[in-house]
Amino acid sequence: ELKVEQNPLFLSMQEGKNYTIYCNYSTTSDRLYWYRQDPGKSLESLFVLLSNGAVKQEGRLMASLDTKARLSTLHITAAVHDLSATYFCAVDIGSSRGGADGLTFGKGTHLIIQP
Amino acid sequence: EPEVTQTPSHQVTQMGQEVILRCVPISNHLYFYWYRQILGQKVEFLVSFYNNEISEKSEIFDDQFSVERPDGSNFTLKIRSTKLEDSAMYFCASRPGPTRGTFGSGTRLTVV
Repeated sequence: ELKVEQNPLFLSMQEGKNYTIYCNYSTTSDRLYWYRQDPGKSLESLFVLLSNGAVKQEGRLMASLDTKARLSTLHITAAVHDLSATYFCAVDIGSSRGGADGLTFGKGTHLIIQP
Repeated sequence: EPEVTQTPSHQVTQMGQEVILRCVPISNHLYFYWYRQILGQKVEFLVSFYNNEISEKSEIFDDQFSVERPDGSNFTLKIRSTKLEDSAMYFCASRPGPTRGTFGSGTRLTVV
């Protein structure tokens, strides 16, 4: 059974600071996704990481993937209040079975950025 | 930008009743999914659908659940006899292939 673990699950930080969210997964996969969810809203796709060593950046967010370590990171640079949300990583079940099937999500990191 | 549309946005139903949640995936997408999220918890995969049949389903997707693509555009999730623990946000998602998917805005199901 594929397991996806995120840490921390809760993070409160001040504007201007840097921090990293970690996502570990238990079986071979080369497709990892990061999503953002605002309270009561749907899931917004942030990044898709498709290969070992992949790094993607958008604004103050940067995601990376190490398939050998089964680890992805989401790094926040100089945080601003608007980035407050819950961030989920998810792994493609299908990539461990050769097909494109559903995602297994981590529990999410609830991020609060205080002015 | 194309969207995945879900209706209704909120449904309240009595325990034991049948509900149908509706989704219109993005038109050129080939893979369709249902997920659920119990309040404050993680998103859980229910079922994937490809080429007019179920591709994969989770342990949650038991005999009470079924999916259909009745007319080539809609994608529905039916829960035959709702239980209190079925109360959750249900998200439909679609994607063109094994890449980034698009989630709908969700249907909040409340079973009373």
